[in-house]
Amino acid sequence: DGGITQSPKYLFRKEGQNVTLSCEQNLNHDAMYWYRQDPGQGLRLIYYSQIVNDFQKGDIAEGYSVSREKKESFPLTVTSAQKNPTAFYLCASTPGQTGNTIYFGEGSWLTVV
Amino acid sequence: GQSLEQPSEVTAVEGAIVQINCTYQTSGFYGLSWYQQHDGGAPTFLSYNALDGLEETGRFSSFLSRSDSYGYLLLQELQMKDSASYFCAVRSYTYNQGGKLIFGQGTELSVKP
Repeated sequence: DGGITQSPKYLFRKEGQNVTLSCEQNLNHDAMYWYRQDPGQGLRLIYYSQIVNDFQKGDIAEGYSVSREKKESFPLTVTSAQKNPTAFYLCASTPGQTGNTIYFGEGSWLTVV
Repeated sequence: GQSLEQPSEVTAVEGAIVQINCTYQTSGFYGLSWYQQHDGGAPTFLSYNALDGLEETGRFSSFLSRSDSYGYLLLQELQMKDSASYFCAVRSYTYNQGGKLIFGQGTELSVKP
């Protein structure tokens, strides 16, 4: 079945470590996104990519990095520069620049210990 | 900048009708969409308005007025399972933010017996 797969579902990070969250989609979608959600809050855009080998910063890109080497993959690295990384991270994709239905992965919970 | 405003929470009883409003400030967008998110889960697509007017999908309807920069989600015959957070979202087509997806802060709906 087509969809978006995020891994791991739960991740614990020690302070000062970088961690990478995986996001893979087999929907043949052009655009992919990373959002951060804090408890009881909305979704804030970290990075997005409209096409392979290109991506743009969202509203809260500091302390994060991404790559888009393949159409189906958009990994997010949470670096040690991100001072408060504990949150729920959601990866999403849409068919193209005008597609408005967003498909989400199941999310990844990151906790700093 | 671009922003969407929603009420933070709404309470209603089973069988009732509830309306969740969304006002927005954005220079250009393709349309307004709505998502539902249960605790700990990923958002799921509910409805999309590309044009002004009412779109109906079962118990859920959504409305858009571009001239008023306003939209709403209408939920009828409320059920306990409708207790969740609801987000409005727009997709920008501005030159420097093409394809950027922006979400409101979400409205937490509590359905009481």
